Amino acid sequence: KQEVTQIPAALSVPEGENLVLNCSFTDSAIYNLQWFRQDPGKGLTSLLLIQSSQREQTSGRLNASLDKSSGRSTLYIAASQPGDSATYLCAVTQGGSEKLVFGKGMKLTVNP
Amino acid sequence: KAGVTQTPRYLIKTRGQQVTLSCSPISGHRSVSWYQQTPGQGLQFLFEYFSETQRNKGNFPGRFSGRQFSNSRSEMNVSTLELGDSALYLCASRPGTLQSPLHFGNGTRLTVT
Repeated sequence: KQEVTQIPAALSVPEGENLVLNCSFTDSAIYNLQWFRQDPGKGLTSLLLIQSSQREQTSGRLNASLDKSSGRSTLYIAASQPGDSATYLCAVTQGGSEKLVFGKGMKLTVNP
Repeated sequence: KAGVTQTPRYLIKTRGQQVTLSCSPISGHRSVSWYQQTPGQGLQFLFEYFSETQRNKGNFPGRFSGRQFSNSRSEMNVSTLELGDSALYLCASRPGTLQSPLHFGNGTRLTVT
């Protein structure tokens, strides 16, 4: 059974820091991995999608990497801003299934 | 392009009642999935529909059901509500291939009293 873990559960940093968010998964037979952010009381916003054949994806200040063999992904946020404060979730799609398995998320607070 | 729309945003129901939640996917998206989010369990997959057919189902009791219409709009029904069904219910859509990202709506907050 696939399990996705995000540690730590919460992180508080001053504005301007470069951040690395971690995600690990137990079964490497994934189809892809997706990073989301969730603001309080809202749905999930898709940030980056990495296919299993890819090593990384970039969008603006965000860069996500994937190491399928070790079951790890990292989300790098450059020059963090207060507007980056949110809960970040990673999720994997198993091969042949539409089902996403989510981590519990990491609550990020960026202080001005 | 309009995003995924879920109605209603909030619902308060009594234990034992039933409830129907609605989801309109992004135009052109044929796959619709439903997830339950609670503080204790996080996000859990309920089911997924494609072209009016349920393709995948999560580990939820039969009280949870859904359907998809020919215009790709989807509904989720929960019968005989229990206190533990209180959660944020999220709908997501994508064009139909796993290579596309999943796009979520803002959810329906269900409170069972």
